[in-house]
Amino acid sequence: EAGVAQSPRYKIIEKRQSVAFWCNPISGHATLYWYQQILGQGPKLLIQFQNNGVVDDSQLPKDRFSAERLKGVDSTLKIQPAKLEDSAVYLCASSQTASHTERKLFFGSGTQLSVL
Amino acid sequence: GNSVTQMEGPVTLSEEAFLTINCTYTATGYPSLFWYVQYPGEGLQLLLKATKADDKGSNKGFEATYRKETTSFHLEKGSVQVSDSAVYFCALRNTGFQKLVFGTGTRLLVSP
Repeated sequence: EAGVAQSPRYKIIEKRQSVAFWCNPISGHATLYWYQQILGQGPKLLIQFQNNGVVDDSQLPKDRFSAERLKGVDSTLKIQPAKLEDSAVYLCASSQTASHTERKLFFGSGTQLSVL
Repeated sequence: GNSVTQMEGPVTLSEEAFLTINCTYTATGYPSLFWYVQYPGEGLQLLLKATKADDKGSNKGFEATYRKETTSFHLEKGSVQVSDSAVYFCALRNTGFQKLVFGTGTRLLVSP
């Protein structure tokens, strides 16, 4: 079974530039998550999709971050413009729709973003 | 709100030593508790979970018991291997579509 695919693996940009990350979840997984993992911290949820609808985006900085999941499959996360504090690993995860106790998240390897 | 506190690392052990990584939580309601592991260069993987008080999750020789009275979910292994070197994250999730809340992670380094 193929895992969660993310690209690119690494990205280096200058502040005020734009960047986009792509995620392809495991086939059949209805729920997709984007997490931000800053060095030395645990992953923090940015946005959660159920199919192509947003379930939780309470911690997404909406003035600069946007995400979409057209057709309820793959997803794109964009930052425009980037700030130095956006340097982090951006993790995508997916899960099948199930009860909260049984829903298992599968994570991709992440995109490491460095903002200079 | 919901939060998870883990012991700071790195934890450095020799092969076959006993491992404990402490985790305590604060939550409303009755959360499910998880340990995730991140091996070098790989994505996070679920290691074990417990969904109610006194449950014990176990996998690959690791164990953790959901202690409601002490709000803890400490990770233990009787004899660590070099291949266990990784970052371990404690996490919780409440009912419904509540998000997974992670601790800051604890790096484990096991030397031969």
